[in-house]
Amino acid sequence: GNSVTQMEGPVTLSEEAFLTINCTYTATGYPSLFWYVQYPGEGLQLLLKATKADDKGSNKGFEATYRKETTSFHLEKGSVQVSDSAVYFCALSGQGAQKLVFGQGTRLTINP
Amino acid sequence: DVKVTQSSRYLVKRTGEKVFLECVQDMDHENMFWYRQDPGLGLRLIYFSYDVKMKEKGDIPEGYSVSREKKERFSLILESASTNQTSMYLCASRDKNIQYFGAGTRLSVL
Repeated sequence: GNSVTQMEGPVTLSEEAFLTINCTYTATGYPSLFWYVQYPGEGLQLLLKATKADDKGSNKGFEATYRKETTSFHLEKGSVQVSDSAVYFCALSGQGAQKLVFGQGTRLTINP
Repeated sequence: DVKVTQSSRYLVKRTGEKVFLECVQDMDHENMFWYRQDPGLGLRLIYFSYDVKMKEKGDIPEGYSVSREKKERFSLILESASTNQTSMYLCASRDKNIQYFGAGTRLSVL
């Protein structure tokens, strides 16, 4: 079946540091890939997505590129801020499927 | 903006009680979902519904049931709550391959 594996957390960085959160997946066919973010006390919200190989999703300074050859969708940001502290989830939706499969989540803390 | 509203942010119930978690969306979405979120396990799908009165089991349906009598409302039911159902419960609705989440209900079963 489809699955998503995320870099284990927690991750703690200083403000303005470079961020990478690794995500790899297993799926048949051509899934769509997503990053969701959960701020403290809130539900999840979509951060970015990519629907085909080599697509780059981007939002709020975050980027992720759909790499079919390495089955990866790593999240990156060049300079993080304290307000980026949250839990980040990588997810995939199988081709034609309604359901999302989530990774285990990575807690990110940014210190000033 | 899409709005998914869960009726309670926090609930405390006793073992054996029947528990109802309510979720309402305001965008006429056909697909709705219930997940539970546990540390280190991410989100796991309990049930989903693709239309009124239609439902499908997710990955962990045991101990839960659901009801979808109206398009905008999707209820999760714990027939007899147990301590291992203490968790964060998240509802979502889906449009064009994007899921929109409510703020979550943190349920404690004592």
